[in-house]
Amino acid sequence: EVQMLESGGGLGQPGGSLRLSCVASGFTVGNYAMSWVRQAPGKGLEWVSSIGAGGGSTYYADSVKGRFTISRDNSKNTLYLQMNSLSAEDTAVYYCAKDQTSFMTTPSEFDYWGQGTLVTVSS
Amino acid sequence: SSELTQDPAVSVALGQTVRITCQGDSLRTYYASWYQQKPGQAPLLVIYGKNNRPSGIPDRFSGSSSGNTASLTITGAHAGDEADYYCNSRDSTGNHLVFGGGTKLTVL
Repeated sequence: EVQMLESGGGLGQPGGSLRLSCVASGFTVGNYAMSWVRQAPGKGLEWVSSIGAGGGSTYYADSVKGRFTISRDNSKNTLYLQMNSLSAEDTAVYYCAKDQTSFMTTPSEFDYWGQGTLVTVSS
Repeated sequence: SSELTQDPAVSVALGQTVRITCQGDSLRTYYASWYQQKPGQAPLLVIYGKNNRPSGIPDRFSGSSSGNTASLTITGAHAGDEADYYCNSRDSTGNHLVFGGGTKLTVL
């Protein structure tokens, strides 16, 4: 059974950093493009970042490029999102999501999502 | 343009058919995926590709595309279909994804 569990959310300071983790089971994260999608309170979904399968090409939304870094540890079957220079606009529930098709180097559609972790940026 | 535009809200009578649309230049090149999200839950993929349903999604859900518009059709709406629906596709670069603003579906 595929499961993904995010952690690392919480209260972050403006200008500060947080690191989100997404531990996966039931599949190998290295074989799939993996993504982070966020949802601000009461708002819609926003794609944040993706990492391709295999070699791991990375992609970022303009709103987070240069501040956020996506990575994964295949030995731990875990996806990460390092978030630096946080601002109030980064306040959201952050979901990790798995691509439906294996071995894709670019993100496509997501067949499994975690339950999300809330990040609140406030002083 | 990398934007996808959806109507904010749509309503349908119980048992009737409803179409939810998504417009964007990238849809001339790429298919849209559609996600259903109920309050407090993670999104659920309901349609992807030309018109494909993941396992477990009822055939009341279908997708289509024409020009710069993708559509999600629910035939015979159930009360349980009341949710927010989001379209999603690649942007013009082909490497980034973009979501529509979402459509809140009310089943009357």
